[in-house]
Amino acid sequence: QLQLQESGPGLVKPSETLSLTCSVSGGPFTSRTFYWGWIRQPPGKGLEWIGTIYYGGSSYYNPSLKGRVTISVDTSKSQFSLKLASVTAADTAVYYCAGRIDPPKDFDFWGQGTRVTVSP
Amino acid sequence: QSALTQPASVSGSPGQSITISCTGSSSDIGSHNLVSWYQHHPDKPPRLLVYEVSKRTSGVSNRFSGSKSGNTASLTISGLQAGDESDYYCCSYTGTFRVFGGGTKLTVL
Repeated sequence: QLQLQESGPGLVKPSETLSLTCSVSGGPFTSRTFYWGWIRQPPGKGLEWIGTIYYGGSSYYNPSLKGRVTISVDTSKSQFSLKLASVTAADTAVYYCAGRIDPPKDFDFWGQGTRVTVSP
Repeated sequence: QSALTQPASVSGSPGQSITISCTGSSSDIGSHNLVSWYQHHPDKPPRLLVYEVSKRTSGVSNRFSGSKSGNTASLTISGLQAGDESDYYCCSYTGTFRVFGGGTKLTVL
């Protein structure tokens, strides 16, 4: 059974860069049909898509994040990462990594989520 | 792009059926059949219930069914059970963009 696990700092200062990694285990990581993504949930709010990266490295991001987002993949480590620059308190959220493994389904595997707080 | 519109809350008694609507536009829900539904219990990751409007993920009860008409997708839960009490999110997704609904809190009375 595929497992995803987020890791990274739980506290980030305003204006700094939030960096999270998602480690994938228990199954394959690379396939033409896979895609990986990041989704977040601010306190008291709903789910918000951050971005998705596909086999081959093409990535797409939520326009509302205005170019602050980068998602990358390290296939040698079966990991993908999120970088969110110039964070503010509005970026405080639970961050989830997710994967689509079994087409044509949508995100069918999720990490447990990691809470990130932006505060001085 | 705005979030898809869902009712903030719905409720029903055990055994009853409820429907959660998800309204988008001709640019998202109305233009393709890539709509998914997720169940999200607090402190757990979201769980994919339905994809491509009406296809259930393996292991999901047939009490959950999805449909779409025009710019609005719907999730119907029949034979409500206490364990169905949760938050539900719709999602319109394409290869390059996705947007979630605001979420609906289902209360089983």
